Amino acid sequence: AAGVIQSPRHLIKEKRETATLKCYPIPRHDTVYWYQQGPGQDPQFLISFYEKMQSDKGSIPDRFSAQQFSDYHSELNMSSLELGDSALYFCASSRGVLEGGTDTQYFGPGTRLTVL
Amino acid sequence: AQSVTQLGSHVSVSEGALVLLRCNYSSSVPPYLFWYVQYPNQGLQLLLKYTTGATLVKGINGFEAEFKKSETSFHLTKPSAHMSDAAEYFCAVSPGGGNKLTFGTGTQLKVEL
Repeated sequence: AAGVIQSPRHLIKEKRETATLKCYPIPRHDTVYWYQQGPGQDPQFLISFYEKMQSDKGSIPDRFSAQQFSDYHSELNMSSLELGDSALYFCASSRGVLEGGTDTQYFGPGTRLTVL
Repeated sequence: AQSVTQLGSHVSVSEGALVLLRCNYSSSVPPYLFWYVQYPNQGLQLLLKYTTGATLVKGINGFEAEFKKSETSFHLTKPSAHMSDAAEYFCAVSPGGGNKLTFGTGTQLKVEL
């Protein structure tokens, strides 16, 4: 079965640079979530989109922005990168019960961002 | 608001022994509860979930969990541990479908010969 695809899998950036992370949800999934997992920490919710509209917002820095496109893929844009942004960034997708899904979030393999 | 507490950041069991990973939650609304497993350098894989209905939930790889509302718990168990079960396990809660997950701090399971 198709899974959530994230690219790139690894990314190395310098401080103050920008980064763009991409997420391709499971086909027919309409909701995308972004989570950040720091070293040795639990995943923290950043932001989510439902049908291309922002549906919820968590502890996402103002330096970060995200959007969901017409094909349902999502991009997380990160600017003025800081050392503390080094983390594993997960994307998850789900399909609502009303749409015939189960609301279960399925996670991608993550993008490991290292800021030097 | 929701929160999750996982007791024991590290649990060690012998191969073939019972696995018990504890999870307590706090939620202002009826919760949806999840257990995810994370192998080194990999993503999160869903083990099982509770939404409504039967309180004993069976998942993949022989794991199961029981939702106990009176104890606000959702402990994960497996009758017999296998070496391949060594991983980090996260309990998570959400206030219903289509909502963000709030994770616990994780429990690292070690399985010894």
